[in-house]
Amino acid sequence: KNEVEQSPQNLTAQEGEFITINCSYSVGISALHWLQQHPGGGIVSLFMLSSGKKKHGRLIATINIQEKHSSLHITASHPRDSAVYICARLNTDKLIFGTGTRLQVFP
Amino acid sequence: GAGVSQSPRYKVAKRGQDVALRCDPISGHVSLFWYQQALGQGPEFLTYFQNEAQLDKSGLPSDRFFAERPEGSVSTLKIQRTQQEDSAVYLCASSPEVNYGYTFGSGTRLTVV
Repeated sequence: KNEVEQSPQNLTAQEGEFITINCSYSVGISALHWLQQHPGGGIVSLFMLSSGKKKHGRLIATINIQEKHSSLHITASHPRDSAVYICARLNTDKLIFGTGTRLQVFP
Repeated sequence: GAGVSQSPRYKVAKRGQDVALRCDPISGHVSLFWYQQALGQGPEFLTYFQNEAQLDKSGLPSDRFFAERPEGSVSTLKIQRTQQEDSAVYLCASSPEVNYGYTFGSGTRLTVV
């Protein structure tokens, strides 16, 4: 069982829809990361959070430490948001990654 | 440089061949990480350096994998006697310090034929 579970694995949406991607983890953490990976491209760090909520543009990340759960929300989704979104928990000195959620946003 | 640079971008190796993958981190970044990402999977940790010291190599899958960062900047991941199961994207990431935020390179896609 992966220590970091994401859902859904695949997600399609129409442009403008509100998107939610979920991440749950099985052990306590010091920080959780959300990252974005475009096809054939590198990984971009979106958020690092250890409590509460962070917002950057149309992206919002929340975390509930007690429930070991985090969500990434995308408001007013756009086709350029199409990518794989990965959450990763920090384990001492290294990141343990989830398997990712593949998002496709259609115009 | 402005970002983490990895080379080559693509590498095709014949089974049994040795390969060397290079990572040029952001200047001044203390921490450097190597990850392996198989097709359709999330990245998996290979090894971690703080400056020139390799502090964690628990993710290296076999003794055919070797990483070094002799001067605390550029790092090389070497794979000896490559096998088909080594085919993956090898990602390098650096950060100013642990848990500060990571910048990833674009990766090296290794295909062993």
